[in-house]
Amino acid sequence: GAVVSQHPSRVICKSGTSVKIECRSLDFQATTMFWYRQFPKQSLMLMATSNEGSKATYEQGVEKDKFLINHASLTLSTLTVTSAHPEDSSFYICSARDIQGLVGAGELFFGEGSRLTVL
Amino acid sequence: GQQLNQSPQSMFIQEGEDVSMNCTSSSIFNTWLWYKQDPGEGPVLLIALYKAGELTSNGRLTAQFGITRKDSFLNISASIPSDVGIYFCAGQTNAGKSTFGDGTTLTVKP
Repeated sequence: GAVVSQHPSRVICKSGTSVKIECRSLDFQATTMFWYRQFPKQSLMLMATSNEGSKATYEQGVEKDKFLINHASLTLSTLTVTSAHPEDSSFYICSARDIQGLVGAGELFFGEGSRLTVL
Repeated sequence: GQQLNQSPQSMFIQEGEDVSMNCTSSSIFNTWLWYKQDPGEGPVLLIALYKAGELTSNGRLTAQFGITRKDSFLNISASIPSDVGIYFCAGQTNAGKSTFGDGTTLTVKP
């Protein structure tokens, strides 16, 4: 079964609104989670590293004020796309790993993904 | 930054044929991972490789971690229609950050 769960799987919003996507690790605690974005027919691009209890680390070119990340607990990270525009429409995927090695052996497990469409 | 070159970009094969795809990197990775992604879903882990030279099998799938730690290949034997999808390689650092290849789109003709 899934070890990382995302919600919602699909969301449609109007331009200018904000959208929150949740990523939960199931059966293990994740001090670090990763957020990726994937455009159609392209690979996954790392956006940011979400750190429990501290600020997220953003990859070059990713606006931290645009993509707000909150890692409030050891099993939950949220990505909020603020003032969304049509060009933010994409497939957002989170991942996490169990550093304690109880689930897997340190490899990343991915959520189901969240399809965002901004009208 | 780190880059992964994955090839081939796409493959069209007959059911029952074997498939091979590979990834090369300009940098060393400590872990190599192979994922399969179906449309509209997140990637699903197929095989994880942790040691240089390691050869690992998972059913009809076999993958190897290159000796130089800069490459990996994935083989699928006796392909079936449900093997259709996009296969991604990923190199992972000890910190957990993964860099993905561009993917190999596999089409299997019955």
